[in-house]
Amino acid sequence: GQSLEQPSEVTAVEGAIVQINCTYQTSGFYGLSWYQQHDGGAPTFLSYNALDGLEETGRFSSFLSRSDSYGYLLLQELQMKDSASYFCARTGGGNKLTFGTGTQLKVEL
Amino acid sequence: EADIYQTPRYLVIGTGKKITLECSQTMGHDKMYWYQQDPGMELHLIHYSYGVNSTEKGDLSSESTVSRIRTEHFPLTLESARPSHTSQYLCASSGVREAFFGQGTRLTVV
Repeated sequence: GQSLEQPSEVTAVEGAIVQINCTYQTSGFYGLSWYQQHDGGAPTFLSYNALDGLEETGRFSSFLSRSDSYGYLLLQELQMKDSASYFCARTGGGNKLTFGTGTQLKVEL
Repeated sequence: EADIYQTPRYLVIGTGKKITLECSQTMGHDKMYWYQQDPGMELHLIHYSYGVNSTEKGDLSSESTVSRIRTEHFPLTLESARPSHTSQYLCASSGVREAFFGQGTRLTVV
C-alpha cells in the first residue's frame, strides 16, 4: 500500500519545540513533503526532502531517513498561529502524491 | 500566490443530479490531483494526471470521473450524485517539489 502513518494529535506550549513523525511505505518512493492545513483552509506546502538529512526553512525543519522509511517535521519557537493540521506526503511512482493520516497540533499558552 | 482555482466553492444538490467540479491552474504544471477530504480527516487521492490525455485512479475508489484535455484544466464529474458523495473535494497541481491547492469545493448531496 501507500499508507503514511503519523500521530493523530500533539499538544505543546507556546515557545516550545515539537516534532511530528511520519513513517511511510518504501516501494517506488521519490520524496517526502510536509503541508500545513488550518481549519477550513487548503493545505499549504512547508518543506520537501528527496535525500537523507535535514532541510531548514525558518522555524520549520524537515528530516528524512530513506533507510528507515521515516521522516519528521520540526517546529521551533511555537506560536499560537501554528495550531493546525500537519500532513506528510509521499511522492511515489507514477507521480502519485499520497498524504499521511495527519497530525493535529494544538499550541497552548 | 498559487494560481489554481476551483468552482464552485459550495454546492448543494439533489440526489441523482449530474455535477462537474471545475479546476484550473495557470502555472503550466503537468501533474494535477483530486483529493476527497472529510472535516478533520486525511486527504484521500481519488484521481491524478501527469499530462494531457493521461489520467489514473487514486488510492480511494470513487464513482467520479476526470478528464485532461488541456494542461490547465482538470474537471471532475459525478454522473449521479448520492448523499455518500457529500464531502470536500480539493484540486491540486504540482511542480518538482511543491503542490498548490485550490480552495476546495464543499459538496452536499441531499
